[in-house]
Amino acid sequence: TQLLEQSPQFLSIQEGENLTVYCNSSSVFSSLQWYRQEPGEGPVLLVTVVTGGEVKKLKRLTFQFGDARKDSSLHITAAQPGDTGLYLCAGEENNFNKFYFGSGTKLNVKP
Amino acid sequence: GAGVSQTPSNKVTEKGKYVELRCDPISGHTALYWYRQSLGQGPEFLIYFQGTGAADDSGLPNDRFFAVRPEGSVSTLKIQRTERGDSAVYLCASSLNPRGTSYGELFFGEGSRLTVL
Repeated sequence: TQLLEQSPQFLSIQEGENLTVYCNSSSVFSSLQWYRQEPGEGPVLLVTVVTGGEVKKLKRLTFQFGDARKDSSLHITAAQPGDTGLYLCAGEENNFNKFYFGSGTKLNVKP
Repeated sequence: GAGVSQTPSNKVTEKGKYVELRCDPISGHTALYWYRQSLGQGPEFLIYFQGTGAADDSGLPNDRFFAVRPEGSVSTLKIQRTERGDSAVYLCASSLNPRGTSYGELFFGEGSRLTVL
C-alpha cells in the first residue's frame, strides 16, 4: 500500500521545458523529503521540507510543501538531460523517523 | 567506510532457499533502514533500527523475513524459504538520527538485487 501517490508516473520532455511533479496523500506528515534515483543506485536526497506552505529552491528546482502537510510538488525550470531519473517523495509520519516513499515519477529529458 | 555498503550486489537463488543480505552503514549512524524496491516502484519500508533494537518492523511482509543488528552497526536481512515474489532490489539506508529528532537524511546503498528462480 502506497501512502503517497505521485503523478505523473512517467514524463518525457525536451531539454529546456518546464515540468511539475506532484506528491499527494491523505496522511499528514511531520516532514517530507524528495529524492532522485538513477539506475543501479540508491536514492539521493534533494531536499527536506518541514513547515506547511514552505517553499525551498535548489538551483532550477523548486519544492513546495502543502499548507496541510499532506502534499508536495517539485517544479523544474528549463530541464536538462542531467535531470533524467526517478524522482521520489518520502513522508515521515508523527516524527517517528519512519519514511514512506511514493510510487515515483520517471523523468526523461531529451537533448 | 565513506558510504553505505551492501553485499552481495546480486544474488540469484532457487525457490525455497535461505538468503542473507548484509548492510554496512556509515560509521556513527545510529539509524538503519531496510527497504524493498520492485521494478518501476518506490521503495517499500521493511524495518527500521535505532541502535541494536528494531524500532519498527511493521513492514516485514511475513515471518520468513527477519533482520538483526547485534552491535548497532552492520545489519543482516534474512529471508527463509524464498519465493519468486521476493525478487526485488533490497535497499539499506542509514541516518545520523539521534533518538528524539526527526527528518534526518537517509543515505542509501546501491542495493542488493535478489532474483528467486
